[in-house]
Amino acid sequence: SAVISQKPSRDICQRGTSLTIQCQVDSQVTMMFWYRQQPGQSLTLIATANQGSEATYESGFVIDKFPISRPNLTFSTLTVSNMSPEDSSIYLCSVGPGTDTDTQYFGPGTRLTVL
Amino acid sequence: GNSVTQMEGPVTLSEEAFLTINCTYTATGYPSLFWYVQYPGEGLQLLLKATKADDKGSNKGFEATYRKETTSFHLEKGSVQVSDSAVYFCALQGGKLIFGQGTELSVKP
Repeated sequence: SAVISQKPSRDICQRGTSLTIQCQVDSQVTMMFWYRQQPGQSLTLIATANQGSEATYESGFVIDKFPISRPNLTFSTLTVSNMSPEDSSIYLCSVGPGTDTDTQYFGPGTRLTVL
Repeated sequence: GNSVTQMEGPVTLSEEAFLTINCTYTATGYPSLFWYVQYPGEGLQLLLKATKADDKGSNKGFEATYRKETTSFHLEKGSVQVSDSAVYFCALQGGKLIFGQGTELSVKP
C-alpha cells in the first residue's frame, strides 16, 4: 500500500485568505483524488488529479475555488481559495486504484478551521 | 446510480460485546466493497475489502461478507474493545469510490 503524507496537518485561517495543502506519496501513482469531509459528515470527492492533465472537478466544486496542481507522479497540491467559515473541513488526499488493485488509500488529512 | 447505505449511529457498546454495522449497496455490475475506519483525529484507514460475491474480508478481528443476493456487506466483530471506538465507513468502488454516511462506534469499558 502507498504511504501518503499531507502538509499541514491542521491550520486555522482567516476569512478571505487561501491555503495550499500538499500531498506527497512514497511511490508513483497515476490517479490522485482530493476529498472534503465536513464536520460529522461523510467524504465528498472534490476532484480527480491525473498527472499531465487538468483536474476533473465534481459537481459543486470549481477550479477557481479549489485549484489543483499535479506536477509529477508523487505530488499534488490543493488550494482552498478565498476561504469562508463554510470551508472548515478535513481535506484528504487519496491515491489509487492502480493497475493491480482497486483499493484507494488515504492520507492523514488536513484539518482546516476558518474564522 | 451507485449508492451505499449504512445504519445510523452512534452505536454504543460495552467492551466485549458483539458488533454489527449494517451496510447495503446499489450498484450496476459487481463492484468491490470496502470498510474504512477513521479513528478520532485521524484520516481513513482501509480495514478490509472484498472483490466478488461470497468473498469474506477480515482484519483485526473484523469480518464482512460480500452478499450479492442481499446486496449487503455488514461489518461484524465478535468482541469489541475500547480501542475500536471510531467512525466506520462502508464504500464501493464502481469507477468512483462511493461512501456511506459513516457509523460512529463508541465502546465503553
